Amino acid sequence: AQKVTQAQTEISVVEKEDVTLDCVYETRDTTYYLFWYKQPPSGELVFLIRRNSFDEQNEISGRYSWNFQKSTSSFNFTITASQVVDSAVYFCALRDSNYQLIWGAGTKLIIKP
Amino acid sequence: NAGVTQTPKFQVLKTGQSMTLQCAQDMNHEYMSWYRQDPGMGLRLIHYSVGAGITDQGEVPNGYNVSRSTTEDFPLRLLSAAPSQTSVYFCASSYGGGNSPLHFGNGTRLTVT
Repeated sequence: AQKVTQAQTEISVVEKEDVTLDCVYETRDTTYYLFWYKQPPSGELVFLIRRNSFDEQNEISGRYSWNFQKSTSSFNFTITASQVVDSAVYFCALRDSNYQLIWGAGTKLIIKP
Repeated sequence: NAGVTQTPKFQVLKTGQSMTLQCAQDMNHEYMSWYRQDPGMGLRLIHYSVGAGITDQGEVPNGYNVSRSTTEDFPLRLLSAAPSQTSVYFCASSYGGGNSPLHFGNGTRLTVT
């Protein structure tokens, strides 16, 4: 069965620290897609990144980077030099052979000034 | 482009009342879905549609109805509101499955007393 686990319920760091949000997934499919979304305190859900199962290339976008490792079924998200505006709940999600996304429970990230 | 538009933003119902949450998208997306978000539980799929005239149940469909008469609109009906339906509801759409990211509306905060 498909499953997404975000074991870190809440993380609190001081501004400018680096922080990594973990995402571990389970699926029997060989083709699948992984996503990260951000939900700031204002409540909207913002798409951050997607990754296909056949593309293990890591990605960097400014202070954000994503590490996809099929061998450990993980798709971790790192924020470098965190800022207060990064405070949000971050969700990891999996889509495999159908339209539905399977969501993790989210990690609440608190960046203290 | 307005993206995904949800109305209303807030709603208070009394137990037993019915209402419809509206969702419209102007991106010509085939796929539309409704989620509810409860604290600590991430997002749970209520109903979804892969095109006009086609709907299907998600993880938590009981107490909700949907229809998809046009590509643009996907209303969610609460038949007889219950306190357990107090939640934040999100409508989302995507071009299709696979690696198409979901685009979310801003959410409806529903309280049932």
